[in-house]
Amino acid sequence: AQKITQTQPGMFVQEKEAVTLDCTYDTSDPSYGLFWYKQPSSGEMIFLIYQGSYDQQNATEGRYSLNFQKARKSANLVISASQLGDSAMYFCAMREREKLVFGKGTKLTVNP
Amino acid sequence: EAQVTQNPRYLITVTGKKLTVTCSQNMNHEYMSWYRQDPGLGLRQIYYSMNVEVTDKGDVPEGYKVSRKEKRNFPLILESPSPNQTSLYFCASSLPGTANTEAFFGQGTRLTVV
Repeated sequence: AQKITQTQPGMFVQEKEAVTLDCTYDTSDPSYGLFWYKQPSSGEMIFLIYQGSYDQQNATEGRYSLNFQKARKSANLVISASQLGDSAMYFCAMREREKLVFGKGTKLTVNP
Repeated sequence: EAQVTQNPRYLITVTGKKLTVTCSQNMNHEYMSWYRQDPGLGLRQIYYSMNVEVTDKGDVPEGYKVSRKEKRNFPLILESPSPNQTSLYFCASSLPGTANTEAFFGQGTRLTVV
């Protein structure tokens, strides 16, 4: 069974608008972490934001926020005020103990 | 500067010719792992290591070997590469044991096997 599901292969957004990238996960472990990584066309993996399973508040990092709905097992990434440099692949990942499992990614394109 | 360093960045090789991709981290992390990234499949874990001399298979270990003789190094070995191992490879390291530790990634190695 797929542990991390990203249902949007591609998304488009206008510059300066907000966009939400979806991520749902599946685990029976009460302790887990959820991560979002950005992969620009140059290929490197850039850590964006983290949410722990016991965290009471949604994580925020600058223009990035994580909409964490534990009962729904979803951890959507919200990017506010999109910039052209946000065009990239975005991966949701879940860490259970030692293992980090990735979704298949969403390709975000920001249009001027 | 905290970093994970992979070498080489790009490699073209022929079927059956043994190769090693090196990975080194300077953060004293216990946990290291290798992933391969293929279009439409995301990143899949090949092998991981929880400490020196402790390694275990990930989701796609066939055709790969690893070793962990020192804490900082975790090389990936392809004894007899085949074209289906053409992929983008990432090494990652992190602190162990808890769910809230970020994984630091190397720059990636783009391998082509002809």
